[in-house]
Amino acid sequence: KAGVTQTPRYLIKTRGQQVTLSCSPISGHRSVSWYQQTPGQGLQFLFEYFSETQRNKGNFPGRFSGRQFSNSRSEMNVSTLELGDSALYLCASSQQGNQETQYFGPGTRLLVL
Amino acid sequence: QQQVKQSPQSLIVQKGGISIINCAYENTAFDYFPWYQQFPGKGPALLIAIRPDVSEKKEGRFTISFNKSAKQFSLHIMDSQPGDSATYFCAARGSGNTGKLIFGQGTTLQVKP
Repeated sequence: KAGVTQTPRYLIKTRGQQVTLSCSPISGHRSVSWYQQTPGQGLQFLFEYFSETQRNKGNFPGRFSGRQFSNSRSEMNVSTLELGDSALYLCASSQQGNQETQYFGPGTRLLVL
Repeated sequence: QQQVKQSPQSLIVQKGGISIINCAYENTAFDYFPWYQQFPGKGPALLIAIRPDVSEKKEGRFTISFNKSAKQFSLHIMDSQPGDSATYFCAARGSGNTGKLIFGQGTTLQVKP
């Protein structure tokens, strides 16, 4: 099976812009979780989607949003970008999301100038 | 209560030695504890995981020791190899219907030849 894919892999934006990142889970996986990774804060949970519904949400401002499509592909959107949003954004998929292995994609590296 | 504390931040071990990374948690609702390995430019990959009803789990050179009463768990890498040089993250997930992982801050392991 193909692994989790994320597009784009690298992105440069300026403050105030918005960005959309995409994640395609492993075939058959219905749960997609998003994480932000920075040197200072480490890996932090953003949100989880399961069957097109947001099931869990982390402590991030409303500028961070996401959605999941009927084919389980997921997108996350960050509006009004700030310098501190520069990070590696990772998505992870699993079949059901609970008590199972989560498989991570390679991430999208976002640089906000 | 949602934190997972990981130590040390960095570790240097000679080839053939034992690498030990420790994690502690507070939330007794956590009931799944995975360890992830991350190489530069890659997403985290599951190494080994344990549930709190087991005190030890071994897979090849990797062993998790779990102390439920102390709310601590550790990763032991036996016969450490230069190829093990990577960043290691412990994590915890609550019971129930969730894919949300709480990660430790990470440990950068360098195995010297």
